[in-house]
Amino acid sequence: KAGVTQTPRYLIKTRGQQVTLSCSPISGHRSVSWYQQTPGQGLQFLFEYFSETQRNKGNFPGRFSGRQFSNSRSEMNVSTLELGDSALYLCASSLEGTSGAKETQYFGPGTRLLVL
Amino acid sequence: AQTVTQSQPEMSVQEAETVTLSCTYDTSESDYYLFWYKQPPSRQMILVIRQEAYKQQNATENRFSVNFQKAAKSFSLKISDSQLGDAAMYFCAYRSAWTNSNSGYALNFGKGTSLLVTP
Repeated sequence: KAGVTQTPRYLIKTRGQQVTLSCSPISGHRSVSWYQQTPGQGLQFLFEYFSETQRNKGNFPGRFSGRQFSNSRSEMNVSTLELGDSALYLCASSLEGTSGAKETQYFGPGTRLLVL
Repeated sequence: AQTVTQSQPEMSVQEAETVTLSCTYDTSESDYYLFWYKQPPSRQMILVIRQEAYKQQNATENRFSVNFQKAAKSFSLKISDSQLGDAAMYFCAYRSAWTNSNSGYALNFGKGTSLLVTP
């Protein structure tokens, strides 16, 4: 099976612009989570989607949003970019069958976003 | 909210030796899962090992094992017979067992420990 894929892998934007990142989960996986990784704050949870519904959201401003499509692919959007949004954005998918929280989250390679 | 603390920013170990990475966490929940993830320089995060809080037996996966002390809220990772390929950032993570908890199924990560393996 193909792993979690994220596009694009690298992105350079300027302050005030918006950006959309895409994540394709492992085939059959229904849950997709997004994390932001920075040297200062470490790994922080952004949001989680399951069956096209946002199940949980981290402590990020409303500029950060996401969605999930019927094929479980997910996108996240950041509007009005700030310098502090420069980070590695990681997507993770899991099957979310009957085992629930026990299941492994499989991570993608990430999208490196640089805001100038 | 749950917090995960990794007190060792960097660790070093020689090939074939054993190293232990520390992790403590704070939670009021009784049912949860703990994970160790490895992030090599290529950046792909990989699950190393998982522990279920209701199981007293420590999890093991080949050369990797944990020392889970529920009362002390401690979850350390032991790597035996260290190999050059073990060099990476290691993250300890907590996950609630219930979607209706404050964090849902989100992984709550520590800051990480950078492991260097020397020949």
